[in-house]
Formats: sequence, structure tokens, C-alpha cells
Amino acid sequence: GNSVTQMEGPVTLSEEAFLTINCTYTATGYPSLFWYVQYPGEGLQLLLKATKADDKGSNKGFEATYRKETTSFHLEKGSVQVSDSAVYFCALKAARAAGNKLTFGGGTRVLVKP
Amino acid sequence: DAGITQSPRHKVTETGTPVTLRCHQTENHRYMYWYRQDPGHGLRLIHYSYGVKDTDKGEVSDGYSVSRSKTEDFLLTLESATSSQTSVYFCAISPEGGPQHFGDGTRLSIL
Repeated sequence: GNSVTQMEGPVTLSEEAFLTINCTYTATGYPSLFWYVQYPGEGLQLLLKATKADDKGSNKGFEATYRKETTSFHLEKGSVQVSDSAVYFCALKAARAAGNKLTFGGGTRVLVKP
Repeated sequence: DAGITQSPRHKVTETGTPVTLRCHQTENHRYMYWYRQDPGHGLRLIHYSYGVKDTDKGEVSDGYSVSRSKTEDFLLTLESATSSQTSVYFCAISPEGGPQHFGDGTRLSIL
């Protein structure tokens, strides 16, 4: 079956540090890949997505590249801010997912200190 | 955000009582979903709908039922709430082939 594995947190960083959150997946065919962010007390927000191999999704200074050869979709940001403190979820949608369903990773909590 | 409203936002109830959570969308999207979020388990799909009166089970459907009589509303019912159903519940919507967008959640406590 399909699965998503994320690095466990929490990840604690200082402001302006470089952030990487690893995400690898298992799926048949060519899934679509997503990163969602959840701020405290809120729902998940779509951060970025990629729908085919070598696509790069980007938003708000975050980037992730769909690497088919390593089945990965690592999230990066060059200089984090305190406001980036949140839980980040990697997710995939299988190529012919019934019901447009997503498979989520377990989430990675990021804490950015001033 | 994304035209999704969940109600209530918070609820405290007792074991054995029925509970209904409502998800309302203004986007006219085909798909609607109910998830629960618990520490150590991430997000788990309870039920989803692919159209009016068309629903299917997710990975943790036991103890839950759903109904969708109109495109815009998707109801989640706990027929007889148990303490193990204390959780944060999220509704999500998506268009055909598009990404899912989430509501702000309902925090449910069952005492």
C-alpha cells in the first residue's frame, strides 16, 4: 500500500537557520505530492505541491522537489522565522486514488526560537 | 478559509450521548472528508463522500456514521460517544483532481 515517512520532531532551530524536513514515500505509479502546514489551533493549510517527477513546488520561501529516483519530497527553507513554528505534514495522492484520498505522514513539529 | 465552516468548534459531552458534527462548504466541491487528529497518530480518515448520498469508509470508521443530503453539508455522527472518541475532528473538501482544503477543526471532549 501507499505510505509516507517523515522525520520525527521536534525540530528546534534558531531564527534565520536553514530548515530541511525529510519526506520519503512508497507508492505505485506516479503520485502527486503535497506539503501541508498546521499552525497552533488551526487546520491544515496547503503549503505546496508537485504533480510529476522533477517538479518543484514553492510557496512562502519553502521549496520541495519531487524526486522519483529517491522517492522523496524534502521540504526546505533557507532562513526560517519564528512565525514558521508549526507542524508540517507530507502527503501523497496516488495516481488513481479512489475518492481523491490522501495518505499523510505523521507530521514534524518545528519550533523556531528568536 | 477555502469556504469551509465546521460547527461546533468546541464540544464537551458525556459518554453514551449522541453527537453530530457539521461541515459546511460554499465551494461546490465534489469530495468531502472527515478526519480525526490524535497525538502519535497524525491524521486518520474516518469517512469521505464523493457526492450527494455517496459515502465510503476510511481507516477508522467504527463508531461513526456520516450523511450527505446536500452538496454543501457533510455530517459526522457518533451514535453513542465513547471516551476513545475524544479528539480533534477536521473536515476537508476537494474538487475533482484537486488538493484537499481543511476546516479549522472541532475539539470534542467526551467525559
